[in-house]
Order: sequence, then structure tokens, then C-alpha cells
Amino acid sequence: EAQVTQNPRYLITVTGKKLTVTCSQNMNHEYMSWYRQDPGLGLRQIYYSMNVEVTDKGDVPEGYKVSRKEKRNFPLILESPSPNQTSLYFCASSGGGEKLFFGSGTQLSVL
Amino acid sequence: LAKTTQPISMDSYEGQEVNITCSHNNIATNDYITWYQQFPSQGPRFIIQGYKTKVTNEVASLFIPADRKSSTLSLPRVSLSDTAVYYCLVGDMIIGGSSSNTGKLIFGQGTTLQVKP
Repeated sequence: EAQVTQNPRYLITVTGKKLTVTCSQNMNHEYMSWYRQDPGLGLRQIYYSMNVEVTDKGDVPEGYKVSRKEKRNFPLILESPSPNQTSLYFCASSGGGEKLFFGSGTQLSVL
Repeated sequence: LAKTTQPISMDSYEGQEVNITCSHNNIATNDYITWYQQFPSQGPRFIIQGYKTKVTNEVASLFIPADRKSSTLSLPRVSLSDTAVYYCLVGDMIIGGSSSNTGKLIFGQGTTLQVKP
């Protein structure tokens, strides 16, 4: 089944403790991206990757890192999480155009 | 990048047709218009995409006027299960295409549709 898999589904952590949210797709898509969703603000893009080893900043990249060492994986890294990064995060991939396939989301709470 | 504007919320009743309009005044020549549906605790799901005139699939119709400065998502005979947030996205992200394409995407705030019995 074609899908985008994010892990974990829920994560509670403390300020400053490095964490990684994984994202994997099995559709051989070149494009992958990360979003955060906050009440009243809709979806905001954090980072995107047009292909392996190619990443670029979205609208809200501060405090986040990404890497794209292989086509299927696009992890989101928070080196020193802060409470304002408490949010619902989505990973998405695309094989062309704006038809994005989204993961199920990761609810992150930073205490 | 084309900025989009949608109504924040809409109410409807079961069986009615619902039209959600998205404004995108600075849409570029190569931009496509894409709509997504999101249920609580789920990721957005692709509904429909178009460039101009009208597009119809098994779920919805998309109407785009000649000037392309707006688009309307039409949901025929909605049911309670159509209660969701609907996002309009405008962009020209063509993978492997011209050098003018970009992967930077800006979603609007979305429209929360509440369908009542």
C-alpha cells in the first residue's frame, strides 16, 4: 500500500532534549516536505526536499533541521526543542505537481 | 508565490451542495490549483486539481474562471462525513521541470466546513 509513515505518533519531551521525527515513503517520490499545524494558522511548511541531498527552507525553518540521504526517508530533527515547537507535525511526499501524500501526523509536546 | 484567501468557516445541511471559494489574485501562469480535505487527527488528503475551466471527479468539481484569480470547490449533496477542513493550494511544483519551479508551498488557513443533520 502506498503510504507516508511518520513515527512516533505522539511525543512528549522536555526543553532542550534533542529529538528526531522520522518520515518514510514507499512511492519512490522525489519530493518530500515537513509542515507544522497550529490552531488558527493552518499548515505551514518547515523544510522541503526536491531530491536526495537537496533540501531548502520553507516558511518556518527556525529551530529545525532535516536531512535527505536517501530517497525514501526525510527525518525532522529538533536539536534543542522549546515549548513554542509544541505542535502537530506532518510529513508529505509527491511524485509531481501539488498532489501531496501526507502522513498521519506527529503530535509533539515540549514541556 | 500565490497567496490564497478562503472563508474561515462554513455551515451546511445534509443533502445540500456546498461551494467553497478561494481567492488567489497573484496566481502565476504555470500555477495549478489543488484542494485538500483534512479530518481531525489525520493528514490532509488530495481531493482535486485543475488549471483552468472545470474539472470533475467522483468526489468534487472545481470551477476556475478565465482570469484564474479565484477557484470554487463544489461538493454535491454533502453528508455529515464531509465535515472537515478544506485547503486551497496554488503552486507550480513540477518535479524535474523547468528551473522556475519551486518546492516551497504556502497553504492558506483553510475552511472549516460543518455539515449539520
